[in-house]
Amino acid sequence: DQQVKQNSPSLSVQEGRISILNCDYTNSMFDYFLWYKKYPAEGPTFLISISSIKDKNEDGRFTVFLNKSAKHLSLHIVPSQPGDSAVYFCAASAVSGAGSYQLTFGKGTKLSVIP
Amino acid sequence: DADVTQTPRNRITKTGKRIMLECSQTKGHDRMYWYRQDPGLGLRLIYYSFDVKDINKGEISDGYSVSRQAQAKFSLSLESAIPNQTALYFCATSDPRSVETQYFGPGTRLLVL
Repeated sequence: DQQVKQNSPSLSVQEGRISILNCDYTNSMFDYFLWYKKYPAEGPTFLISISSIKDKNEDGRFTVFLNKSAKHLSLHIVPSQPGDSAVYFCAASAVSGAGSYQLTFGKGTKLSVIP
Repeated sequence: DADVTQTPRNRITKTGKRIMLECSQTKGHDRMYWYRQDPGLGLRLIYYSFDVKDINKGEISDGYSVSRQAQAKFSLSLESAIPNQTALYFCATSDPRSVETQYFGPGTRLLVL
């Protein structure tokens, strides 16, 4: 059973426009959410995160929104740049039975920013 | 120099062979992880270790074993490789003070024939 879902495998956006990547989760125990960005032949790199006590977190061109009642989060990139073309993974964290955190990843969304 | 390194970067092996993937980190983190990525399936956790004496199974540990030789080194072994273990393998580290922001290595692409 997939606990973190990214239902759009791919997204194409014109340079300068807004990119919106979506993520849904099913486990109500998740209390911390992260976005990772992955370029080909590289490992994922941390992009931005949000705690469940917030509904928005912003870092430069990147903003993550959290809607806990809908169990939904989104990543907004404004303005989109060609260098943003990558696969974006949504991840969620909850305290495990061992009292520590593990990450559960979505399948990823491939973003293509067209010049 | 990269903070998290993985060797080898690419490996081709045959069914039934034993292979080891190695991970080293210079970040000084206690926590280390092994994931595999399959096309269309995202990253799935194989094993994780919170310190040298602590090893835990992840979501998909069957067919794998690990060794935490030191704080900086965490190895993943396939005792008898099978074709459905063909995947991209990532090592990661984290600092418990940063609520699971994980730092990934560049990955090892493994092909089992």
